[in-house]
Amino acid sequence: EIVMTQSPATLSVSPGERVTLSCRASQSVSSNLAWYQQKPGQAPRLLIYGASTRATGIPPRFSGSGFGTEFTLTISSLQSEDFAVYYCQQCNNWPPWTFGQGTKVDIK
Amino acid sequence: EVQLVESGGGLIQPGGSLRLSCAASGFTVTSNYMSWVRQAPGKGLEWVSIIYRDGNTFYADSVKGRFTISRDNSKNSLYLQMDSLRAEDTAVYYCARDEYYGSGIYGMDVWGQGTTVTVSS
Repeated sequence: EIVMTQSPATLSVSPGERVTLSCRASQSVSSNLAWYQQKPGQAPRLLIYGASTRATGIPPRFSGSGFGTEFTLTISSLQSEDFAVYYCQQCNNWPPWTFGQGTKVDIK
Repeated sequence: EVQLVESGGGLIQPGGSLRLSCAASGFTVTSNYMSWVRQAPGKGLEWVSIIYRDGNTFYADSVKGRFTISRDNSKNSLYLQMDSLRAEDTAVYYCARDEYYGSGIYGMDVWGQGTTVTVSS
């Protein structure tokens, strides 16, 4: 089973700042990596698939990059509605799908 | 509108059974891979089970032999039969569509609102 490790666990950020979240896979997942956003009391929402392609309706301030074992989600200018928990998920060697433990982005 | 609506959660004693339902609209469940994902209180996401377009099914080791995923084409619905429930199965359960984007790329692009399962005596 591929283990996904996200860092940091928590990130305290001010609105307007640039944010970079990291996700590492225990073995290569090629570009088969997705990112999700989850707000309290809500279901997760797909942000990025294929490591770098934004899902439908996702604003361009969200971008993904990486290949193999190292991946990054960047929010270019954090908006108030972006405070949430972000999860990465590998979609390469499955089943099982595996998720990272999440990074919480909260207000500084 | 593409939508998933779960139901069937509740409070159940350890060792009991529960059946979750997920009604789809705006698309056909048999045309996609469909998954169940759960989230224990205050914890992260855990994939539980998947059913392929061809009907093949797979499970996380933590639920293998206890949970069964299925679908009903006539009702355009997905199900999760949960038997021999344990306290550690307590979670919000989500159904999700595994969209295929080509070249082996997937993403869970549609999620239900979740249904809460509490296993406690």
